[in-house]
Amino acid sequence: GAGVSQSPRYKVAKRGQDVALRCDPISGHVSLFWYQQALGQGPEFLTYFQNEAQLDKSGLPSDRFFAERPEGSVSTLKIQRTQQEDSAVYLCASSSRGGRTYEQYFGPGTRLTVT
Amino acid sequence: EDQVTQSPEALRLQEGESSSLNCSYTVSGLRGLFWYRQDPGKGPEFLFTLYSAGEEKEKERLKATLTKKESFLHITAPKPEDSATYLCAAPLLNSGNTPLVFGKGTRLSVIA
Repeated sequence: GAGVSQSPRYKVAKRGQDVALRCDPISGHVSLFWYQQALGQGPEFLTYFQNEAQLDKSGLPSDRFFAERPEGSVSTLKIQRTQQEDSAVYLCASSSRGGRTYEQYFGPGTRLTVT
Repeated sequence: EDQVTQSPEALRLQEGESSSLNCSYTVSGLRGLFWYRQDPGKGPEFLFTLYSAGEEKEKERLKATLTKKESFLHITAPKPEDSATYLCAAPLLNSGNTPLVFGKGTRLSVIA
């Protein structure tokens, strides 16, 4: 079956530009997570949704970062006025609800380079 | 603050040379411990979830074990295709479907 997909896979932005990163979760998965991964580091939590509700956005590094999931399926992570420190891989993951089994399945990520 | 620490940072093995990767955690309570594999340019791929001390799970040449304070990923007779970064993670919150806290990973290289 189809896994989590993300687009674009690569994005180069000039400092100050706005970018939008898209995530298509596994069909039927109610939870969706965004992580940021710097080179040589593990993923770090940014924000997550259960259906369309954003339950926690405490990991967003600044108010330039905004995420939405208006219909409880596709999600968009938007970064306004990009800075060089925003360069990283942005990973999306989804998981189904139920029991104690809540493995998260990751997409391939979007590599953002801010020049 | 909950933390997940992995060691070693990098490991180089000859093909067939068995070894273990370590993951120690200071999260309060035991709510599950996750292992993922990540290949360059790809997202993490789920391997195992462990919930209780003493639990073990196996997949091909990999076996994950869990104690009250740490987890081990044992690799038996590794092959070059096992080369990857192995990530360990624990749930951030004490409920289902929570964000994960990841360690920095162990970069494994298996040389033929």
